[in-house]
Amino acid sequence: AQSVTQLDSHVSVSEGTPVLLRCNYSSSYSPSLFWYVQHPNKGLQLLLKYTSAATLVKGINGFEAEFKKSETSFHLTKPSAHMSDAAEYFCVGRGYNQGGKLIFGQGTELSVKP
Amino acid sequence: ETGVTQTPRHLVMGMTNKKSLKCEQHLGHNAMYWYKQSAKKPLELMFVYSLEERVENNSVPSRFSPECPNSSHLFLHLHTLQPEDSALYLCASSPEVGGSSYNSPLHFGNGTRLTVT
Repeated sequence: AQSVTQLDSHVSVSEGTPVLLRCNYSSSYSPSLFWYVQHPNKGLQLLLKYTSAATLVKGINGFEAEFKKSETSFHLTKPSAHMSDAAEYFCVGRGYNQGGKLIFGQGTELSVKP
Repeated sequence: ETGVTQTPRHLVMGMTNKKSLKCEQHLGHNAMYWYKQSAKKPLELMFVYSLEERVENNSVPSRFSPECPNSSHLFLHLHTLQPEDSALYLCASSPEVGGSSYNSPLHFGNGTRLTVT
């Protein structure tokens, strides 16, 4: 069975410093992986997606993620945090063998200090 | 503009009321979804529709009744709700449902914040 684990429930960084949000997946096959961001009382917005075309994926707002099969990881990074990045982030997997069902990580809340 | 529009954005209802949530997608997708997001809990998939046919119902109480009149519109009819049903209800769409669509993300609306008093 497929699972997605976000290793930190809360991450706090200072504005202008790098962001690292960690996600590990468990799957017997290559899944599609996505990162979504959710601001308060808003829906989930797609940041980026990995679908096996390239292991380093660039998304919106300066975010990127690298798929590492050997480590079963798909960590989200950004070189310099901005106050507007403060939000909840979800790592999501979707597998062919499970009827395309989305598997959500538990979410990571990112705080950005001035 | 997300391509998926939900109305109303906020709803307060008593336990004896009947109300409906509406979702409309402008993306030409064939699949639509209802999710429930409660505080401090993972997103819960409630219903999945493919080309107006319900293909998944995740043990949702009968006080929640979905309706999909066409592939662009999805409703969630609510009646005799409980306070624990208070949550953010999210609608989403995707090109297709099923294994062949596994590399397509879901597109979410901004949700309806429901409070049951």
